[in-house]
Amino acid sequence: EIVLTQSPGTLSLSPGERATLSCRASQSVSSSYLAWYQQKPGQAPRLLIYGASSRATGIPDRFSGSGSGTDFTLTISRLEPEDFAVYYCQQYGSSSGYTFGQGTKLEIK
Amino acid sequence: EVQLVESGGGLVQPGRSLRLSCAASGFTFDDYAMHWVRQAPGKGLEWVSGISWNSGSIGYADSVKGRFTISRDNAKNSLYLQMNSLRAEDTALYYCAKGYYYGSGSYEHDAFDIWGQGTMVTVSS
Repeated sequence: EIVLTQSPGTLSLSPGERATLSCRASQSVSSSYLAWYQQKPGQAPRLLIYGASSRATGIPDRFSGSGSGTDFTLTISRLEPEDFAVYYCQQYGSSSGYTFGQGTKLEIK
Repeated sequence: EVQLVESGGGLVQPGRSLRLSCAASGFTFDDYAMHWVRQAPGKGLEWVSGISWNSGSIGYADSVKGRFTISRDNAKNSLYLQMNSLRAEDTALYYCAKGYYYGSGSYEHDAFDIWGQGTMVTVSS
């Protein structure tokens, strides 16, 4: 089973700052099958990035994804107040199905 | 408006069964794979099961394999999850989610672009 480890567990930043969230896989992951989601309290997750770097419909361009192999990154260029939430990475592996990282909580400093 | 609405959750005793439903609207249901994803209270996301548009490709997480069955009725724009032999560790908010890729013949290699608000399942005596 491919395990996704996200870091940091919690990231404290101020609006306007840049956020860099990491997702590391225990085995190489096809970039085509790496996605990022945002979840706010009491809400369902929202797809941000698919295929490691493609923004989903309606996602602002301050969100960007990058990476390959075992290391992937979600970057938020300039934090807006509505960006403070929990972020999950997700991958598909043929032997284990879909797995999610444990999440990174982005909180206001 | 694209929408997924789950129903069927509730309180159930260990070992009993429950059937979840997901009603889809606002998109061509039979063009997309569909999935169930769950979230235990205060925890992260766990994929449960997925089904291709024509039910020809189905997959389950190891934690539910042999106990849960996913199905869909394209004529009714509905997705289902039959959950048998429920355990305390199945307690979670169950989300229905739409696969992103159009016309995929598989539940695999997908992202989940539309989510319902979830239905809560509590397994307790």
